[in-house]
Amino acid sequence: QVTLKESGPGILQPSQTLSLTCSFSGFSLSTSGICVSWIRQPSGKGLEWLATICWEDSKGYNPSLKNRLTISKDTSNNQAFLKITSVDTADTAIYYCARNGAISHYFDYWGQGVMVTVSS
Amino acid sequence: DIQMTQSPASLSASLGETVTIECRASEDIYNGLAWYQQKPGKSPQLLIYNANSLHTGVPSRFSGSGSGTQYSLKINSLQSEDVASYFCQQYYDYDTFGAGTKLELK
Repeated sequence: QVTLKESGPGILQPSQTLSLTCSFSGFSLSTSGICVSWIRQPSGKGLEWLATICWEDSKGYNPSLKNRLTISKDTSNNQAFLKITSVDTADTAIYYCARNGAISHYFDYWGQGVMVTVSS
Repeated sequence: DIQMTQSPASLSASLGETVTIECRASEDIYNGLAWYQQKPGKSPQLLIYNANSLHTGVPSRFSGSGSGTQYSLKINSLQSEDVASYFCQQYYDYDTFGAGTKLELK
């Protein structure tokens, strides 16, 4: 059974760095062809892909946010991470992690999401 | 960047009706398209991938079609549990989502 669960700080102030953790089970990020991605959704709005990391440590970033994003993984502990630097109120959103394939990049399993609020 | 234009933004339909939602890509995405269902307060759930392949466990009343830049999701015999928002996603070049369609019961 594949499960993913996000965790984060809940609230942070503008200009701080947001650190998110995705803890997963039922698959391994050392398995060929497997990737984990981060996607966010501001309240009542659409979905925005942020970043992806794959089994062989290749990484992809949304070009519009690339300079602020860092994705990483801890394969032995079944976790993936995302850091977003210099946050502002526009980064307030629900953040999801999801599993996807390296070739067909659709997201077949999603976490429940974690709400992150940026406020002074 | 590939842009995804999804229509309609909202839709009201009756139980048992057939519903169609469309997505148009700004360039050819070679069937690199998925559809998701999102119920209020929940995470998105995969319905269709590769434009027309049904994800495991998804009811057969959902189907996807299209090619090139034009794709559609069809829901046959609408059920009450289908009330949700629906999003398309292209994954041919990076990943971008449509703005979503909110489906309500008439």
